[in-house]
Amino acid sequence: ILNVEQSPQSLHVQEGDSTNFTCSFPSSNFYALHWYRWETAKSPEALFVMTLNGDEKKKGRISATLNTKEGYSYLYIKGSQPEDSATYLCATRGSNYKLTFGKGTLLTVNP
Amino acid sequence: EAGVTQFPSHSVIEKGQTVTLRCDPISGHDNLYWYRRVMGKEIKFLLHFVKESKQDESGMPNNRFLAERTGGTYSTLKVQPAELEDSGVYFCASSPGGAGRRAPYGYTFGSGTRLTVV
Repeated sequence: ILNVEQSPQSLHVQEGDSTNFTCSFPSSNFYALHWYRWETAKSPEALFVMTLNGDEKKKGRISATLNTKEGYSYLYIKGSQPEDSATYLCATRGSNYKLTFGKGTLLTVNP
Repeated sequence: EAGVTQFPSHSVIEKGQTVTLRCDPISGHDNLYWYRRVMGKEIKFLLHFVKESKQDESGMPNNRFLAERTGGTYSTLKVQPAELEDSGVYFCASSPGGAGRRAPYGYTFGSGTRLTVV
């Protein structure tokens, strides 16, 4: 893997469903992985920053895991709500501080 | 604590004109970044300031783009002359200084400037 890749590109779920997305990244020159939640015309909101293999973070109904050896991170949302609808962005940080983003996963939660 | 502020939120200009975008980072944040998202593509890095110095400008597309951060506070990004392909959302972000590369802090983003060149 040369770039940060996110899947799926978009996802439609019903209110109450649980869902998860994948972020794949090159495992070389890895320092940190960031997850952001972004609604158009608003600031991307930082969800998690993870640095160590095996890291798990949780914030309410949202959680994330990190596997730096195989180069992937999962984001889970339990019991999706319409207000969870947004684009979820994954980005890696290398030794030079800059973030390399994936294209994002657009989540739509139908009431 | 005030967040990262960007101005204007939207700008529509004609090809060949000049536009200047402004970013006010979180007070005290030494690191300031500019990113751009072209429609349908991923957000891409443009450049990184540490205080008033350009640390990394490897993402700047060409010499029509000029970024400054006088005094190490707010930053401006000027596009002159603007071309159609410059359209997109320009984000600014800031982060604290003095921490290592593995520091587990997030970067705080502004809401972006949506630039449309017609």
